[in-house]
Amino acid sequence: QSMLTQPPSVSGAPGQTVTISCTGSSSNIGAGFDVHWYQQIPGTAPKLLIYGFSNRPSGVSDRFSVSKSGTSASLVITGLQAEDEADYYCQSYDRSLSGHYVFGTGTKVIVL
Amino acid sequence: EVQLVQSGAEVKKAGESLKISCKGSGYSFSNYWIAWVRQMPGKGLECMGIIYPGDSDVRYTPSFEGQVTISADKSMSTAHLQWSDLKASDTATYYCAKQRGDSSGYFFEDWGQGTLVTVTS
Repeated sequence: QSMLTQPPSVSGAPGQTVTISCTGSSSNIGAGFDVHWYQQIPGTAPKLLIYGFSNRPSGVSDRFSVSKSGTSASLVITGLQAEDEADYYCQSYDRSLSGHYVFGTGTKVIVL
Repeated sequence: EVQLVQSGAEVKKAGESLKISCKGSGYSFSNYWIAWVRQMPGKGLECMGIIYPGDSDVRYTPSFEGQVTISADKSMSTAHLQWSDLKASDTATYYCAKQRGDSSGYFFEDWGQGTLVTVTS
């Protein structure tokens, strides 16, 4: 079902910067719909990380930022920490017949 | 504080029916869309559909339409997800999530703790 593609995993050493891409199409990201990001620590529920253009819920570190261009978006984690090891999902809206709210395929961040 | 509290884990046999719940508190339950999200073992998140408890308007993601029923009881601040004929492939963790919409778009601000449904064949 997913129409947003993410890399299965990215890795980095503590202190480094990692970037997670989220590639969509002209029916979702490319149509101008906003992209939002969630963090899921294994065994727990997803948590809203960033919504819209770099809006962070209370308590979310400013080490997380986003960008968007054309049919893609990216989540950037700077100053990587051990606690950042988790799965990350992008989410948007798709106006095609095959889906409404769509999530990305998910990316596991590994802290080396 | 917004809370979404889901019903407990279930183990069922294929062909049985099941209804799980999600009770909201700490906000005006009737006025926010609630989504149900499936996560199959080791897999990603899939939005199954959303409901507006105020008038029970339901929007199903096409791949889930006809497979499940989403409902809500606003008097009890509770949303439900039900199956009439479970299949082994329904084995998953199901999350409810409160949707919020503003100038940044529509996103899922608060999540329930998840309900693990295991269907044996």
